[in-house]
Order: sequence, then structure tokens, then C-alpha cells
Amino acid sequence: ETGVTQTPRHLVMGMTNKKSLKCEQHLGHNAMYWYKQSAKKPLELMFVYNFKEQTENNSVPSRFSPECPNSSHLFLHLHTLQPEDSALYLCASSQDIFPLGQYFGPGTRLTVL
Amino acid sequence: KNEVEQSPQNLTAQEGEFITINCSYSVGISALHWLQQHPGGGIVSLFMLSSGKKKHGRLIATINIQEKHSSLHITASHPRDSAVYICAAQDRDDKIIFGKGTRLHILP
Repeated sequence: ETGVTQTPRHLVMGMTNKKSLKCEQHLGHNAMYWYKQSAKKPLELMFVYNFKEQTENNSVPSRFSPECPNSSHLFLHLHTLQPEDSALYLCASSQDIFPLGQYFGPGTRLTVL
Repeated sequence: KNEVEQSPQNLTAQEGEFITINCSYSVGISALHWLQQHPGGGIVSLFMLSSGKKKHGRLIATINIQEKHSSLHITASHPRDSAVYICAAQDRDDKIIFGKGTRLHILP
């Protein structure tokens, strides 16, 4: 058990929908991350939050909007997505921001129709 | 541009075999990570290395900074080791670049 939970585990949405992915960590960590894993491609780091402050945005399109209300919760708000955004979205946390090892959640499998 | 290359891309072996997965990277790093991804997507961070060698159970990770190369070894492999193993290089700006992964299948 990782201590990092993600909901929902699976999500199917249309291109005009608005949905949110939720991540919660029970490890007392200070840093949280969103990653995207597309089929047959390496993991891509999307956003990094440290002590609730966004420290990195890896040129992610504005249709993805992160929110970190506190150190334990991280959201990824989705709107007007494209079919190519279909992927596994992984949340991770770590005690301190890089370089310490990260604990990953199980991911949300997103399908955009 | 930092690239992380893993080999092999796919590996099938018999239970009990000694497994080696290789990772090469192209620029200076502050740390090298090995991750394990099970079917269904769950990812576990296995090792973080900046030099030398680390061991955890049947897993051993080594890194050669001069050669820009790291290896992940599994001794006495077991079907439950079947997973995708991902190498990730963290550069000196703390940017992390992931390899494409090695899919390992251990046959009983």
C-alpha cells in the first residue's frame, strides 16, 4: 500500500466535459506531483507543488489546471480535453522536493472520447 | 537535451534467472532513479542513486558516473517480479527525464 490514493481510478469523458482528478497522500509529505503516462511513451512530469506552492509547470496546456489546497491534497482539473489527452495520470508525493524518492499513487486511467 | 536509454525494451526469462536491465544517460546528473510499474499502473520507487551501489532484498542497483550508466539487477527472479522497470535521470537542475521502460516477464 503506497499511502497515496487517487480517485477516480477510471474516467471516461467527452471533449466538452469538465472533470477533476483527486490525489491524497497520508504520508506527511511536503511535495506532490502530477505525471502523465501515454501509451508506449515515457512518464512525463506535469506539475510540481512544494508546500502548496507550484514550483514547476512543464509546458502543460491550459486545459489542465492543477490545484493544491494543502500539502495532503492535489487536484487536476480537466476541461475541453482532446482525445490525445487519454492516458494514465499519476500522482506522487515525497518528503522534500526532488531528489528524494517519490511514492506514487495507483493512477487514474483517463479516456477522452 | 538529456536522453535516457534503457535496454532491453522487453525481456522474458525463466524463474530463478539473474536479470540485468541497463540504463544510459547523456548529461551530468544529480541522481538516478529506478521505478517499478505493475500491471494496472501502480508505480513504486525502488532506488535513488548518486554513486556506487544499493541493495534491497533481491534487487541491486549500480551506477557508474564516469560512464553515465546504471544497471538494475534481480537475483533469483520470480514471476511476481514481472513488471515494467523505469529508469529516470535527474539532472542538476532537478529536472527528471524518464526512460521508456523495460518490460520484464518471468515465466514460472
